[in-house]
Amino acid sequence: QLQLQESGPRLMKPSETLSLTCTVSGGSVSSSTYYWGWIRQPPGKGLEWIGSIYYSGSPYYNPSLKSRVTISVDTSKNQFSLKLSSVAAADTAVYYCARQYSGSFLFDYWGQGTLVTVSS
Amino acid sequence: DIQMTQSPSSLSASVGDRVTITCRASQSISSYLNWYQQKPGKAPKLLIYAASSLQIGVPSRFSGSGSGTDFTLTISSLQPEDFATYFCQQGYGTPLTFGPGTKVDIK
Repeated sequence: QLQLQESGPRLMKPSETLSLTCTVSGGSVSSSTYYWGWIRQPPGKGLEWIGSIYYSGSPYYNPSLKSRVTISVDTSKNQFSLKLSSVAAADTAVYYCARQYSGSFLFDYWGQGTLVTVSS
Repeated sequence: DIQMTQSPSSLSASVGDRVTITCRASQSISSYLNWYQQKPGKAPKLLIYAASSLQIGVPSRFSGSGSGTDFTLTISSLQPEDFATYFCQQGYGTPLTFGPGTKVDIK
């Protein structure tokens, strides 16, 4: 059974760089069938796709966040990561990692999510 | 960006009711439409993909239809475990976008 688990700091100060890692178990990030993505959800609000990456390291990002986002993959650790620079209160959200089927851009497995709060 | 809208934003229903949720895209997305269910404090769960295909393990009371710009999610007989928020998501083009959600609660 595929499992994804987010890890990283839960509390940040404005202007810092958010750094999260998603560890994949029960499957491989090196699979050619899937991308690996990040989605966030501010408290009580809807879902926003942040970006996704293929095992070969070809990321693509939401243009609304592109200037601040870096997504990378580490096949040796079976992990992929998110960095979001210059965070502000508006970046407070639950951050999810998910497996994305490359054929139709659906997200079929999700991590449990981690709440990241940005506060001074 | 492709904008996704949903209606209603919330609804109250009883166990056994037939429930229909509508999702509309700002441009044609063919059948690249997925539906998710989210319960409080939990990650979204994929229910329907490609507008009408049932994800493995999802009960058959869930069904999806539509193509182009207009789509529906139907729950044929609402069960207690179905009270949740439902989101649509387009997979036609990037950025991938989600609808604002429809909350289904108990009447």
